Amino acid sequence: NAGVTQTPKFRVLKTGQSMTLLCAQDMNHEYMYWYRQDPGMGLRLIHYSVGEGTTAKGEVPDGYNVSRLKKQNFLLGLESAAPSQTSVYFCASSYRQGAYEQYFGPGTRLTVT
Amino acid sequence: EDQVTQSPEALRLQEGESSSLNCSYTVSGLRGLFWYRQDPGKGPEFLFTLYSAGEEKEKERLKATLTKKESFLHITAPKPEDSATYLCAVQAGWNTGNQFYFGTGTSLTVIP
Repeated sequence: NAGVTQTPKFRVLKTGQSMTLLCAQDMNHEYMYWYRQDPGMGLRLIHYSVGEGTTAKGEVPDGYNVSRLKKQNFLLGLESAAPSQTSVYFCASSYRQGAYEQYFGPGTRLTVT
Repeated sequence: EDQVTQSPEALRLQEGESSSLNCSYTVSGLRGLFWYRQDPGKGPEFLFTLYSAGEEKEKERLKATLTKKESFLHITAPKPEDSATYLCAVQAGWNTGNQFYFGTGTSLTVIP
């Protein structure tokens, strides 16, 4: 089992460019999440999905879009990148509804210049 | 407003010097409290889940405990390989997304 994987690992964008981050999990988890982690701020939820074809907003959704076309994949898109989106992005997944732990991917370090 | 606060922000210990990390929370309807370990440049790694006050979980040199207002992560006789950032997260209420609220972490350094 690879667990949760993320691509790419690093990316540098110029302001206004777009990109998509890919998350994949092989644990057959229903729920998937995208977080950003910034110094002194902790992990903050951007968007999440409770199943294939569903998405919902988290704490900091502005400037991001997501899609969950397949159960194992969760995509995070930045349509027009801004320097404020410089961060480390983590994807996570959990089993289903209930107090279940979330399993995290290795992260993507994004710099927007 | 649901909040999670971790203290101290940073902790330096000599190898073998036991200590505790604190996670205090103010949430409505705690469903679970989770501890994670995060190494530099990596994603958080799950350690423990605690569900109710009085519960304890142990793994090697780590022991997590839970009261109605806080959780402690006790580290007994730490080794340099225990150096990492330890994150606490709570899941509150019966929200549809099983959303977690994370603290900002305690950075632990164990000196040989």
